[in-house]
Amino acid sequence: GEDVEQSLFLSVREGDSSVINCTYTDSSSTYLYWYKQEPGAGLQLLTYIFSNMDMKQDQRLTVLLNKKDKHLSLRIADTQTGDSAIYFCAERDLGDYKLSFGAGTTVTVRA
Amino acid sequence: DAGVTQSPTHLIKTRGQQVTLRCSPKSGHDTVSWYQQALGQGPQFIFQYYEEEERQRGNFPDRFSGHQFPNYSSELNVNALLLGDSALYLCASSPLPGGSSYNEQFFGPGTRLTVL
Repeated sequence: GEDVEQSLFLSVREGDSSVINCTYTDSSSTYLYWYKQEPGAGLQLLTYIFSNMDMKQDQRLTVLLNKKDKHLSLRIADTQTGDSAIYFCAERDLGDYKLSFGAGTTVTVRA
Repeated sequence: DAGVTQSPTHLIKTRGQQVTLRCSPKSGHDTVSWYQQALGQGPQFIFQYYEEEERQRGNFPDRFSGHQFPNYSSELNVNALLLGDSALYLCASSPLPGGSSYNEQFFGPGTRLTVL
């Protein structure tokens, strides 16, 4: 789980859906996480998925996993100003303990 | 129920000095991991402690060391500080195995270290 890549910036209008993308490179047995970081704060765990799943939904959040392309996305429905933050994708292989993070996507919500 | 706590919040040191950062895990958690987050980057894994032993280590030099106490709290020590050690140091805790949230790592607010 060493190479996790994300696009760096996303701008979205309030009320629209946001889609944040991530690609990872490691094994077929891995956990994939989404974390949110607001300015000056630590990381808040939003959701996670195991690589044997295709989708997970939790209120306004939907995670989609394309195992063939090793592509993960986080969709935020009805994006609000409070969703402005940096979003990190991370992976952890089964049997490993460390999280490997991408560089983060800065999401800016405009009125 | 308190989450993961870290102290101090901010710290300023000069090159060559030594620093100790502290972390208390979330209640019910027995595993502590430390990460370094440089400005504009994602967190990088330093090491993880479980049952008072270092269980896994990332690509960090021996200047970075740690300790876990019987109450599961942990310290991160950095010797011979370099300018490049300036970063946000994050502690994360994980619950005991067998629980529904076993695969989750919960992060504290971090300690901002500035090396001058």
